[in-house]
Amino acid sequence: QSVLTQPPSVSGAPGQRVTISCTGGASNIGAGYDVHWYQQFPGTAPKLLIYDRSSRPSGVPDRFSVSKSGASASLAITGLQTEDEADYYCQSYDSTLSGHVVFGGGTKLAVL
Amino acid sequence: MQLVESGGGMVQPGRSLRLSCATSGFTFDDYAFHWVRQAPGKGLEWVSSINWNSDTIGYADSVKGRFTISRDNRKNSLYLQMNSLRAEDTALYYCVKYSSSSVDYSYALDVWGQGTSVTVSS
Repeated sequence: QSVLTQPPSVSGAPGQRVTISCTGGASNIGAGYDVHWYQQFPGTAPKLLIYDRSSRPSGVPDRFSVSKSGASASLAITGLQTEDEADYYCQSYDSTLSGHVVFGGGTKLAVL
Repeated sequence: MQLVESGGGMVQPGRSLRLSCATSGFTFDDYAFHWVRQAPGKGLEWVSSINWNSDTIGYADSVKGRFTISRDNRKNSLYLQMNSLRAEDTALYYCVKYSSSSVDYSYALDVWGQGTSVTVSS
């Protein structure tokens, strides 16, 4: 059971917009801690996708954006492309847990 | 920036393994580090963290008392001593750099190694 809740899967057609939600609670996202997002392709290590509210590492297209409201955050992908098909994870900080780093359970994005 | 894990393998339940992570391309002691694992077909699970000078260390409840994280700033290396291994510890273990020297806030896990595989089975 992950501290942050993500939908197991989402899907969309090329060119469409999809969103992936990440729901936490009062001791993590709801407390104002930043949410970071990672992308993972099969057989490879996760890669930082968006961090510190809305920053993108070099090479990440601006088709990826984030939003946050209360104890939830969302990753939006516009102009969906087949190469976006991957697993996506959110991560934040929880003030009540040992070590504090918490992940969502991950969302598999299928581009139909 | 590069992180290279080693030390994984197949071991019997109850035995020990020591994972290492060699780093390069950045100033090692400017950053905190984490171990994150991923069981086959499962999501990411945070395991342990250590700040820049080893003053602040944390463990997931699932490994507390069995795993020990450490670092050697002279060797630019991170370690994870895993004792009393269980079948449920079977996973790919990633060494991950934090984007801060501290572990007391929500910073990004900005550089990941390729992982080292640990299989615990009799």
